[in-house]
Amino acid sequence: DQQVKQNSPSLSVQEGRISILNCDYTNSMFDYFLWYKKYPAEGPTFLISISSIKDKNEDGRFTVFLNKSAKHLSLHIVPSQPGDSAVYFCAAITTGGSYIPTFGRGTSLIVHP
Amino acid sequence: GAVVSQHPSWVICKSGTSVKIECRSLDFQATTMFWYRQFPKQSLMLMATSNEGSKATYEQGVEKDKFLINHASLTLSTLTVTSAHPEDSSFYICSARDYYQETQYFGPGTRLLVL
Repeated sequence: DQQVKQNSPSLSVQEGRISILNCDYTNSMFDYFLWYKKYPAEGPTFLISISSIKDKNEDGRFTVFLNKSAKHLSLHIVPSQPGDSAVYFCAAITTGGSYIPTFGRGTSLIVHP
Repeated sequence: GAVVSQHPSWVICKSGTSVKIECRSLDFQATTMFWYRQFPKQSLMLMATSNEGSKATYEQGVEKDKFLINHASLTLSTLTVTSAHPEDSSFYICSARDYYQETQYFGPGTRLLVL
């Protein structure tokens, strides 16, 4: 049973527009969430995170929103750039536990020039 | 952000040989390191978690005698694939976090090809 779900395997966006990547989770014990970006044959790169005590965190073009009641988070990229084309993984952690993150399956983002 | 390195970045070996992959945290002390495996077009699969100075905890289905993990210092963990076979060919990625952070940082990965 997947505790972290990224239901869209792929997303295509025009350069300059907003990219919205979604992530849902089922385990209410998760209290810290992270987004990673991954290019083929490379390790994931940390992008942005959010604690469950917040509902929004912003870093440059990247904003993560957390809706705890819906167990949903999203990553917004504005404006999208072709270099953003990659696979984006959502991950969730229980900080009072093992700290082992649970990853979603990833969403492949393609930003067209 | 924090930097994690892996060495080698890729390796080709004959079936039956053992391969060691190193994972180093370069600017922080990694109390916990994780080893992942990624198959083509699939998500990251956690293989094991290691805490410095103690034995690694392996995920279900991962053979601990096959994938030896050593986390001997706060900046180094090694994964040794023993008696490698072609089905062990994969992309192995390590990550690390220190005690005071929730975020873990990933290495660049090691591509293993067993002939």
